[in-house]
Amino acid sequence: NAGVTQTPKFQVLKTGQSMTLQCAQDMNHNSMYWYRQDPGMGLRLIYYSASEGTTDKGEVPNGYNVSRLNKREFSLRLESAAPSQTSVYFCASSEEATFLLQKLFFGSGTQLSVL
Amino acid sequence: AQTVTQSQPEMSVQEAETVTLSCTYDTSESDYYLFWYKQPPSRQMILVIRQEAYKQQNATENRFSVNFQKAAKSFSLKISDSQLGDAAMYFCAYRSALHPPGSARQLTFGSGTQLTVLP
Repeated sequence: NAGVTQTPKFQVLKTGQSMTLQCAQDMNHNSMYWYRQDPGMGLRLIYYSASEGTTDKGEVPNGYNVSRLNKREFSLRLESAAPSQTSVYFCASSEEATFLLQKLFFGSGTQLSVL
Repeated sequence: AQTVTQSQPEMSVQEAETVTLSCTYDTSESDYYLFWYKQPPSRQMILVIRQEAYKQQNATENRFSVNFQKAAKSFSLKISDSQLGDAAMYFCAYRSALHPPGSARQLTFGSGTQLTVLP
């Protein structure tokens, strides 16, 4: 029962460095999401993907890029990390085609610090 | 745009007692879904309970129940017989029922309520 798997769990970057956060789900879900969590602000949507081959901006997309590599995988890339991107990042997935399943499944998060 | 407000950054409850977490939201839509998620120290987001706006009956899941007041746009979570394992950050969330073709429905979160359970 892997669900949604994120790697890495922790990462420290220097300002200007780049990195990619990986996410994979094994539930055959169509939709996948990237959120960031900051103290006092809840979770904010960065990007989402309704299906393989499509991506859309969320509430806070600046400084990020995403790739929906296939149905299972959805990666988040920071091209030039900034201290403002210090946060906990969550990947999530859901099955949009089924009206009964109105819920998201989350990964365990990535704690990213940018110095 | 929808907004979700949790006005209680922190709450505490004695073990075995009952606690209610507040959530209000703002929307112009008539059909939507509301959720409560729990985030323990492990960081994993866990769905606690969900409510469909078109249903008048309040959702319940074992010791967890909601008080859904659609006209007041209020969605509070009641935890009965609180246990030490209930200690976590709790997030209220809103999701539109609108589903434009090719899109994914987005979840809007509140800022969270940190619940402490006292032994």
